[in-house]
Amino acid sequence: AQSVTQLDSQVPVFEEAPVELRCNYSSSVSVYLFWYVQYPNQGLQLLLKYLSGSTLVKGINGFEAEFNKSQTSFHLRKPSVHISDTAEYFCAVIIQGAQKLVFGQGTRLTINP
Amino acid sequence: EAGVAQSPRYKIIEKRQSVAFWCNPISGHATLYWYQQILGQGPKLLIQFQNNGVVDDSQLPKDRFSAERLKGVDSTLKIQPAKLEDSAVYLCASSLAPGGPIDTQYFGPGTRLTVL
Repeated sequence: AQSVTQLDSQVPVFEEAPVELRCNYSSSVSVYLFWYVQYPNQGLQLLLKYLSGSTLVKGINGFEAEFNKSQTSFHLRKPSVHISDTAEYFCAVIIQGAQKLVFGQGTRLTINP
Repeated sequence: EAGVAQSPRYKIIEKRQSVAFWCNPISGHATLYWYQQILGQGPKLLIQFQNNGVVDDSQLPKDRFSAERLKGVDSTLKIQPAKLEDSAVYLCASSLAPGGPIDTQYFGPGTRLTVL
């Protein structure tokens, strides 16, 4: 069965510092990978997705992620965070040929001034 | 463009009572999803509709949960009777293409259910 592991449940960083949110998946076949963000009291919003091609994917709000097949990882990065980036971030995966989006348990990003 | 609408936003009930949630997807979206998000966990798919047919309900506890999507537009999710472990946020999402897993899912704000 496919699974997604987000290695950090909470990540505190200072404003304007860089951040990396880690995500690993388990699958022996090809996958599609996603990052979603959930702001307080709002629904999930797609940040970016990897379907094929270039392993470096750029998303909204200055975020990017890199697909590493050998390490089965899809870490999310931003070079300089803002207070408005405070939210819960979810990594998700779909195995090619399957239909279901499987989410990790989420990482809460807290930005300190 | 209006987003996915859900109501109510909050609901508190006692165990063994019944409850229903409503979802109106983005206009023209063929696929509708219901997820359960327990505190501290990622969303888990309960049921997926394509138009008014069920694509996947393998993780829906069918002894107490039911869902319908009449006329292929809005949908209701019902729990009867509720248990304490049903306390969660219930998210509705929709996507444009019929059954395409890689198409972007657009999420509603969710309904937070508390079962006492």
